[in-house]
Parts: sequence; structure tokens; C-alpha cells
Amino acid sequence: GQQVMQIPQYQHVQEGEDFTTYCNSSTTLSNIQWYKQRPGGHPVFLIQLVKSGEVKKQKRLTFQFGEAKKNSSLHITATQTTDVGTYFCAPSGAGSYQLTFGKGTKLSVIP
Amino acid sequence: GAGVSQSPSNKVTEKGKDVELRCDPISGHTALYWYRQSLGQGLEFLIYFQGNSAPDKSGLPSDRFSAERTGGSVSTLTIQRTQQEDSAVYLCASSWTGADNQPQHFGDGTRLSIL
Repeated sequence: GQQVMQIPQYQHVQEGEDFTTYCNSSTTLSNIQWYKQRPGGHPVFLIQLVKSGEVKKQKRLTFQFGEAKKNSSLHITATQTTDVGTYFCAPSGAGSYQLTFGKGTKLSVIP
Repeated sequence: GAGVSQSPSNKVTEKGKDVELRCDPISGHTALYWYRQSLGQGLEFLIYFQGNSAPDKSGLPSDRFSAERTGGSVSTLTIQRTQQEDSAVYLCASSWTGADNQPQHFGDGTRLSIL
């Protein structure tokens, strides 16, 4: 499967601060999926981006797909303690059934 | 059920014993995946089932690992002669089809501890 690198690996923010995680690939991606895993929980699908330059919003979360479809980002505005968890990206739609997840970005929110 | 169901939720066993982990996917989902997640790590793909097709076992780490899917529904992951490095959370996921543009729905996992 296609490989991606997620940065940063860890991020600690004060509650109310913004947070961004990046997912980068050396090759052009077809689609990309984002998942969130709460501590002690299982990954939960958040969104799939398909189009070049696509931007999708879910409340305080903003997802972007780069123009060249080689990178994606997840931005959280005004973090809350409920945002704590690990955010994974996974390239998709290349014709393989197998998702190769990035290593994830672990977000801690200090109240 | 409403979601992917896995059992047991926790399993503690002695090194050298065999273990069986069960996954009941969402009804109607034809694709089923097993992953392994070590503490604080990402998701490691183990095996994939799609309908009645032969499974993709390319992610299984050794021949001590095997999996079955009966009747296109419930799946069992078996680890023989367990080793301490097998300690991890084993996650099962299902999706409507095997196409990788489908969201995967995960179970709560089985936390396996090898003493």
C-alpha cells in the first residue's frame, strides 16, 4: 500500500488552542481517510477526501487535501478535552483493498 | 448488532498456550480485516477476508497465526504457542465491500497479554 508520514508524532496543547496534524506522501494519492482513536478505544472513521484541494469541515475540525494530492491536514480549532486521542490518516481508493495507516498523531489537551 | 463485536475483550494467558479471538462483523459487510496494535503504536495489517474469496494472509507475522471466516460472517483469529511479543490489542474491522474507498468500522478489540 501507499506509505504516508504523519507529523507531529505527539502534540500537547492547552485547551482552547488550535491543533494541526499533517499527512505527507511522496507519491500522488487517490483519496485519503482520517480516523480518530480515543485512549483505550478503537479507530473511528471521520472523513474521506477525494478531490484535489478539497476542504471539508465537521464543526471545529477542518480537513484539507493538497492541490497535488500528496498531502492532507486536519486542523482543530479551539481544542477541547474531548479532542484527546490519536489521529490517523490512511491513503485509499488506489484499487487496493488494504488501508495502510500512518503512525498517527497523538493529541493531548491540557485543561 | 449495531457494530463490530469482538470477544473476549481481554485475554491473559501463559506463554506457549494457544488463543482464539473472535470477531462478528456488521451484518451485510462482506469485507473483514484483522489488525494488531502494540502499545502506543499504529495499526499493523494482519489478514483480509472478502466474501468467499481466498483471504489475503500477507500480513500474518508467522505461521503461528491463522484465521478463518465461516459462512462469510464470523471470523476467528488463532495464535498458537503464544510468545510475549504477541501481547497487543487485536482489532477487527469490517466494511461493505473490499474496496479501499470504503470506511472501515472497528470493534473494541481484544487486549491480549502473554505472561
